[in-house]
Amino acid sequence: DVKVTQSSRYLVKRTGEKVFLECVQDMDHENMFWYRQDPGLGLRLIYFSYDVKMKEKGDIPEGYSVSREKKERFSLILESASTNQTSMYLCASRGTDTQYFGPGTRLTVL
Amino acid sequence: EDQVTQSPEALRLQEGESSSLNCSYTVSGLRGLFWYRQDPGKGPEFLFTLYSAGEEKEKERLKATLTKKESFLHITAPKPEDSATYLCAVQAIGGSQGNLIFGKGTKLSVKP
Repeated sequence: DVKVTQSSRYLVKRTGEKVFLECVQDMDHENMFWYRQDPGLGLRLIYFSYDVKMKEKGDIPEGYSVSREKKERFSLILESASTNQTSMYLCASRGTDTQYFGPGTRLTVL
Repeated sequence: EDQVTQSPEALRLQEGESSSLNCSYTVSGLRGLFWYRQDPGKGPEFLFTLYSAGEEKEKERLKATLTKKESFLHITAPKPEDSATYLCAVQAIGGSQGNLIFGKGTKLSVKP
């Protein structure tokens, strides 16, 4: 079975803090994705990566950056957290047929 | 613009009452259509992939079908444990690196 894990299920941070969300997959997939999910807005793509050190912006990259130093690990960075970044963050890894998601991180920025 | 629309937004059923969820899409060319199930506070769980019109996939009480413009997720004799949000997504031909376009989901509630 494909396994995608995320570093935290719940996270509470203060405005202005730098926040790191980590995602690890165990299937040697090349493509990995970060989404945020908000009520009424659905899943929105923040960034994706198609290889180590390669990244592309998604639909809403402002306020975020990413890092992919190893194939299995894809990190999402909030440079200076703001209250409007309170959301559910989902990481996904793409296999031959579809994307497989991690359990999500519920981030609250106070 | 590539787009995915799901209807209804919410659906309440009695246990055993069969129904269907709709996913209509507009893409320049379809590489694949995907159904996921999402429980509250969790990540989406992959259910099915459909690639061409006329294709059908089944899993327990769920059956997914595909036409050139839409997909249906049929739920036969649902049980309370089928309650979840069901997400539909498409991958367009020429879409970059496996990126999926998601609908906003249908929230299904099945009452005993």
